Amino acid sequence: AQRVTQPEKLLSVFKGAPVELKCNYSYSGSPELFWYVQYSRQRLQLLLRHISRESIKGFTADLNKGETSFHLKKPFAQEEDSAMYYCALAGAGSYQLTFGKGTKLSVIP
Amino acid sequence: GAGVSQSPRYKVAKRGQDVALRCDPISGHVSLFWYQQALGQGPEFLTYFQNEAQLDKSGLPSDRFFAERPEGSVSTLKIQRTQQEDSAVYLCASSITGVSQPQHFGDGTRLSIL
Repeated sequence: AQRVTQPEKLLSVFKGAPVELKCNYSYSGSPELFWYVQYSRQRLQLLLRHISRESIKGFTADLNKGETSFHLKKPFAQEEDSAMYYCALAGAGSYQLTFGKGTKLSVIP
Repeated sequence: GAGVSQSPRYKVAKRGQDVALRCDPISGHVSLFWYQQALGQGPEFLTYFQNEAQLDKSGLPSDRFFAERPEGSVSTLKIQRTQQEDSAVYLCASSITGVSQPQHFGDGTRLSIL
C-alpha cells in the first residue's frame, strides 16, 4: 500500500529564514510526487511535481529514492508563503493520488 | 469555465437524510475525481471517472455513497441515510487525462451532519 507521511503538523519560521517541509513516502515502485498548496480561503492547487524539476515561487523539491523523501525547500521564506502544504503520491501509471495529512506553514513577519 | 465548480459550498443535513453534491469540471477534462477530507486530514480518494465511465470506486466508504457522471461532464456524489461520520469537506478535481496529469480542484462542499 502507498502512504505519505508529513511529520510536522505546524511549522513556524521567521521571514527570510530557510524553510523545509518534510515528506516521506512508502511505495514499492517508481512514484510520481507532488506538492499541493492551499492558501487561506483558496482552493487546493498544484505547487510543483517532481518530474517537472521546476522552481515555483522559489520552492524546490528533490525526489530522494534512497531515503524515500520529497522534501519541499525554499531558501528565504516570505509572508505570503503562509499556507497549508500537502505532499501527494501517484503510483507509476496511476491516476489515484494519496495525500499526506498536511503541514501548516506560518511565516512570522 | 474558469475552474472546477462545486455546489453547494455548505450543506447541513440531519442524520438519516439523503444529500447530493454537484461538481462541474473544467470543460474538456476527461477525468474527474472525488475526495473526502475530514478535519485535520489530507484528502482521501473516493472515486474516479473517465468520461462517463466510473473506473474506480474503491474509496467509497460504504454502499450509501454513490457517484455518477451520466454525460461525461457534470458529476453528482450522493450520500444516502447520512451519518455523523460523513461530515467532511468533499472535493472534486478534474484533469485532462487521468494519468500523470495535474488535478485541478474545486472549492469543495463542506457537509455537516447534525
